[in-house]
Amino acid sequence: SQQGEEDPQALSIQEGENATMNCSYKTSINNLQWYRQNSGRGLVHLILIRSNEREKHSGRLRVTLDTSKKSSSLLITASRAADTASYFCATGDTGTASKLTFGTGTRLQVTL
Amino acid sequence: EAEVAQSPRYKITEKSQAVAFWCDPISGHATLYWYRQILGQGPELLVQFQDESVVDDSQLPKDRFSAERLKGVDSTLKIQPAELGDSAMYLCASSLGGGRSYEQYFGPGTRLTVT
Repeated sequence: SQQGEEDPQALSIQEGENATMNCSYKTSINNLQWYRQNSGRGLVHLILIRSNEREKHSGRLRVTLDTSKKSSSLLITASRAADTASYFCATGDTGTASKLTFGTGTRLQVTL
Repeated sequence: EAEVAQSPRYKITEKSQAVAFWCDPISGHATLYWYRQILGQGPELLVQFQDESVVDDSQLPKDRFSAERLKGVDSTLKIQPAELGDSAMYLCASSLGGGRSYEQYFGPGTRLTVT
């Protein structure tokens, strides 16, 4: 079963623009992670934010977490063609924090 | 850089046949995960191991799927018999475990097609 739901399902932007993806989830969490998946390949971890954190940065990535609204957002600044991929949020269970439940994903297309 | 290894990368099998996938996690990673990913969806956890013990297999269809990690290192996921609905990408991931890190490292996956 999918815990998270990403919005939008698909996003198309031009190189240099910012991309924002949102994730909503249903139950209390220990942590929330974002992963990237290039077409037909494995997932790559991008960033982890704990339930007691509100914002985190890593390079061109900025993640926010609002536990009261059960939502998170991923911002990619100054996007590049190489950022074209599917992006998934995944929530870590409060009971077993290492157990992740993935969302449905956002497909990002960055054009030149 | 250490990687999670999976084989085969692609597998085509007929329904009712048996199929097996192999995964070798990053050395030193105590936790190993098997996921199934249907096209257009996010990965769904099938089974989670901590060393050689199963931590969670609540979503594993136990009538046809089995998983083992006998020595707490590499792991095998088996389907017998395969059904048409099993066509999907099967992903293996590993993490340090023990509460030290929740970041998961994924292998390239095995794409299964059941005909």
